[in-house]
Amino acid sequence: ETTLTQSPAFMSATPGDKVNISCKASQDIDDDLNWYLQRPGEAAIFIIQEATTLVPGISPRFSGSGYGTDFTLTINNIESEDAAYYFCLQHDNFPLTFGQGTKVEIK
Amino acid sequence: EVQLLESGGGLVQSGGSLRLSCAASGFTFSNYAMSWVRQAPGKGLEWVSGISGSGGTTHYTDSMKGRFTISRDNFKKTLYLQMNSLRADDTAVYYCAKGPTTSFCWPHYWGQGTLVTVSS
Repeated sequence: ETTLTQSPAFMSATPGDKVNISCKASQDIDDDLNWYLQRPGEAAIFIIQEATTLVPGISPRFSGSGYGTDFTLTINNIESEDAAYYFCLQHDNFPLTFGQGTKVEIK
Repeated sequence: EVQLLESGGGLVQSGGSLRLSCAASGFTFSNYAMSWVRQAPGKGLEWVSGISGSGGTTHYTDSMKGRFTISRDNFKKTLYLQMNSLRADDTAVYYCAKGPTTSFCWPHYWGQGTLVTVSS
């Protein structure tokens, strides 16, 4: 089973900041990693696929990088609407596994 | 517009059973694999199970294999999760998710979830 270690668990940002969230895999998963966000009371939204590809319709302020075991979600020029719970998912092997999530608060 | 509406959650005693349903609309249901994902209170997300578009292939997380059964009715456009021998640590919000293709079940679209509470 592939363990995803996501950090930080919580972060507080000011509008306009650049934010980085890390997701580290316990074994090589190529680029089989997705990123999602979930706002309170809403369904989760798929934002980055295959580590680096922005899902159509998602703001270009979001970007993903990484390959193998180390991955990063970057949010540029963060806005109040970006306050959410962010999590990564690996789909390289079964069982699918998630990072523990990052709660992003906007000051 | 893809819509996934979970139902069937509620309060059940330890050792009991529950069947969750997920009604799908806005896409050709039989063409897509589906998954169940859960989130216990204060915990991270946990993938439970996935099923191919035809229903012929299923996958489970080891800890739920043998207790949970995923299935689908492509005519009714509904996904199911039969949960037996429920334990307190099965208490969670259970989400239904649509995969990107008929074979790959990783979540592309998510429902809003249904809460299952298992009392000990």
